[in-house]
Amino acid sequence: QKEVEQDPGPLSVPEGAIVSLNCTYSNSAFQYFMWYRQYSRKGPELLMYTYSSGNKEDGRFTAQVDKSSKYISLFIRDSQPSDSATYLCAMSENSGGGADGLTFGKGTHLIIQP
Amino acid sequence: AAGVIQSPRHLIKEKRETATLKCYPISRHDTVYWYQQGPGQDPQFLISFYEKMQSDKGSIPDRFSAQQFSDYHSELNMSSLELGDSALYFCASSSWTSPEQYFGPGTRLTVT
Repeated sequence: QKEVEQDPGPLSVPEGAIVSLNCTYSNSAFQYFMWYRQYSRKGPELLMYTYSSGNKEDGRFTAQVDKSSKYISLFIRDSQPSDSATYLCAMSENSGGGADGLTFGKGTHLIIQP
Repeated sequence: AAGVIQSPRHLIKEKRETATLKCYPISRHDTVYWYQQGPGQDPQFLISFYEKMQSDKGSIPDRFSAQQFSDYHSELNMSSLELGDSALYFCASSSWTSPEQYFGPGTRLTVT
């Protein structure tokens, strides 16, 4: 079983809808949680970073972490066709003096219909 | 500010050849990471460096090696290439004190 599970989709929603993307994980040592957006054949773009449990908001994006359930979410409000991409969750155990590699989910392919 | 720079962007090699990929981190970033992303797969962590020292190691084959130089740029050396090495190779950089990793545009390696 993979350490990080993510539904690959595709997830298709109409423009303007609220999108909910989720990941579950099994490694309780993960402390840092990130969401990346990746367009086809491009490098992953960092959207959100969260430490431990809680919420974080940045514009149309909200990230939530529930460590007790080992569950993280990314919400996109007022979705736009330009949001169509693959969204990858990623996690690491340590920082603030570490250079741990990230463990990624498989990515969810999101399609926003105009 | 300029992002992570990777070169070359595309590389075609034959089986059993060697390849060298280069990565130039974001200004003032001192930590670099290498990832491999196969077709339809998520990025797999290979190796990371801080201050020219290996910091963390993932699923890097023994045929691959990497190093970081005094100007913080890094090189990934790949020998005895196999067909299965065909993939996108990403470099990411960060500050030692932050977990936020910023990815470059990648090098697409094709082994024929």
